[in-house]
Amino acid sequence: SYELTQPPSVSVSPGQTARITCSGDALPKKYAYWYQQKSGQAPVLVIYEDSKRPSGIPERFSGSSSGTMATLTISGAQVEDEADYYCYSTDSSGNHRGVVFGGGTKLTVL
Amino acid sequence: QVQLQESGPGLVKPSQTLSLTCTVSGGSISSGSYYWSWIRQPAGKGLEWIGRIYTSGSTNYNPSLKSRVTISVDTSKNQFSLKLSSVTAADTAVYYCARENCGGDCYPDYWGQGTLVTVSS
Repeated sequence: SYELTQPPSVSVSPGQTARITCSGDALPKKYAYWYQQKSGQAPVLVIYEDSKRPSGIPERFSGSSSGTMATLTISGAQVEDEADYYCYSTDSSGNHRGVVFGGGTKLTVL
Repeated sequence: QVQLQESGPGLVKPSQTLSLTCTVSGGSISSGSYYWSWIRQPAGKGLEWIGRIYTSGSTNYNPSLKSRVTISVDTSKNQFSLKLSSVTAADTAVYYCARENCGGDCYPDYWGQGTLVTVSS
């Protein structure tokens, strides 16, 4: 089955840039999506189609993708950005057989 | 803005069927290029996509759960539902319903708040 691999944790100080990666064999052909999940809350979409930002998401959130790796970048991370972040994508075989989330990355900002 | 709300029993006995309903407000479940999906998250673990349905009744399921899952839709009530049969403790999780935006790829863009379902005798 298809897998997306994320680092378990990333830690930065406030104001620094946080980068969270997501690797998957189909990412050269498929978009990556990113979700933020704060403790006890539902996930929130922060990046779609590799690099697009939904309305209401701060500009410090950006996304990129190159080859088999997608990256979520938080420029000038704030304490309130501390959360779990999940990437989401599909494999190249179809739109439902390989729908997966990455294992998640816990971002600590302190 | 669309809102989703899960409802259903919070406790299910092993071997029984888990049943949840998601009520959609702020828009018609039948409008637009949207699928409606279920996603779950065991405590302290990651997200697992369960499956999705279109208002025509067309469904897609996670292959690992396909034999036990049924997702249905009731457009007259603006609701869709999940049934998961033969549950075990491994099915204990927070269950989320979500809208999937399917303009190109399909991806969840709006989520319900989630409901905890515990499988225990």
